[in-house]
Amino acid sequence: QKEVEQDPGPLSVPEGAIVSLNCTYSNSAFQYFMWYRQYSRKGPELLMYTYSSGNKEDGRFTAQVDKSSKYISLFIRDSQPSDSATYLCAMSPRYAGGTSYGKLTFGQGTILTVHP
Amino acid sequence: GAVVSQHPSWVICKSGTSVKIECRSLDFQATTMFWYRQFPKQSLMLMATSNEGSKATYEQGVEKDKFLINHASLTLSTLTVTSAHPEDSSFYICSASAHRSPLHFGNGTRLTVT
Repeated sequence: QKEVEQDPGPLSVPEGAIVSLNCTYSNSAFQYFMWYRQYSRKGPELLMYTYSSGNKEDGRFTAQVDKSSKYISLFIRDSQPSDSATYLCAMSPRYAGGTSYGKLTFGQGTILTVHP
Repeated sequence: GAVVSQHPSWVICKSGTSVKIECRSLDFQATTMFWYRQFPKQSLMLMATSNEGSKATYEQGVEKDKFLINHASLTLSTLTVTSAHPEDSSFYICSASAHRSPLHFGNGTRLTVT
């Protein structure tokens, strides 16, 4: 069983739709949770990060973490064609001192297409 | 925000040769940088952790003699793929973080070994 499971999709939605992307994880040590967006042939771009259960909102994006269920989600409101990309969840354990976000474990990525 | 620059973005080399990839943190100092590898339609896999002024820490299964990492300054880490073979063809991505901040990634280097 992989430490982080993410539905690879692909996911195709019309412009303006609400998109829900999800990941589950098995390692209770994971304390920091991130969502990255990756366009083709580019490096991942950080969208959201959080370390607590609950919701965090940033513009059209909402990240949700449920540590008790080991489940995280990313919601995209009013999706746009420019949101078409691969979305990667990532997480890391807590380190005493040093870089807490260093050794990330990624999900497989979900390919999203938003069509006009 | 934190910017990580990676160079080159694309390189083709012949089998048996070595290739060096540079990763720079442009607006912050990074005592630690990370090198990831990504195969087509797959996720990123951590290869090694690059520590400024000390030896890199490699993940299980990654050959340290094949993937040489040097982190000589707080803003530069290099990955050298030695004696490259076609199976080393991949997308290599570096990342770094400022203190107590999430990782930011470079734009990756696509390596093709012929």
